[in-house]
Amino acid sequence: ETGVTQTPRHLVMGMTNKKSLKCEQHLGHNAMYWYKQSAKKPLELMFVYSLEERVENNSVPSRFSPECPNSSHLFLHLHTLQPEDSALYLCASSQDVSSRETQYFGPGTRLLVL
Amino acid sequence: GQQVMQIPQYQHVQEGEDFTTYCNSSTTLSNIQWYKQRPGGHPVFLIQLVKSGEVKKQKRLTFQFGEAKKNSSLHITATQTTDVGTYFCAGPYSGAGSYQLTFGKGTKLSVIP
Repeated sequence: ETGVTQTPRHLVMGMTNKKSLKCEQHLGHNAMYWYKQSAKKPLELMFVYSLEERVENNSVPSRFSPECPNSSHLFLHLHTLQPEDSALYLCASSQDVSSRETQYFGPGTRLLVL
Repeated sequence: GQQVMQIPQYQHVQEGEDFTTYCNSSTTLSNIQWYKQRPGGHPVFLIQLVKSGEVKKQKRLTFQFGEAKKNSSLHITATQTTDVGTYFCAGPYSGAGSYQLTFGKGTKLSVIP
């Protein structure tokens, strides 16, 4: 499945580093999402974008900064992260922002913060 | 906010046995979706249920939506090793932003050959 791609697939960073995660969808969708998946927690929705406009920020710390330059690309800029931010970060897209739309997930970026 | 509760958290079955996971909500859901995540993989959409009492089948998988639209189940008949993974249900968020999906914690299925 190559509808939604994410890079890098794995990332190790120190707490003072700055890095960015990239997501690209090739499905012509209007909505894109960032999720965090930790070992013992459910999928946590972080951000929602609809047609490049952020429509939801679920109380995410400011050390996570999303960017959506166009409807096909989504970035997550990371800075001064904490070890507890280590997780699998999943990008998803759907045709529109609706709970009835199927979400298509990318393979994820597995992040380790040291 | 809306939470969908899923049980059990883990299930180990012998290959050939049946498996069921349950999803419950305290409020009525307009719809519910099911996803499967293989080990090391990402969630993949399986199905969506919308109607009260709806039952849908995909080969050995049977999905049900309760009459009150507050619960749902996924039943796998005669499990195979390819069924291994975590199964998530997801429903609409009940607060502001109801267009969001809120995911259950998932049921991790292990199949012993």
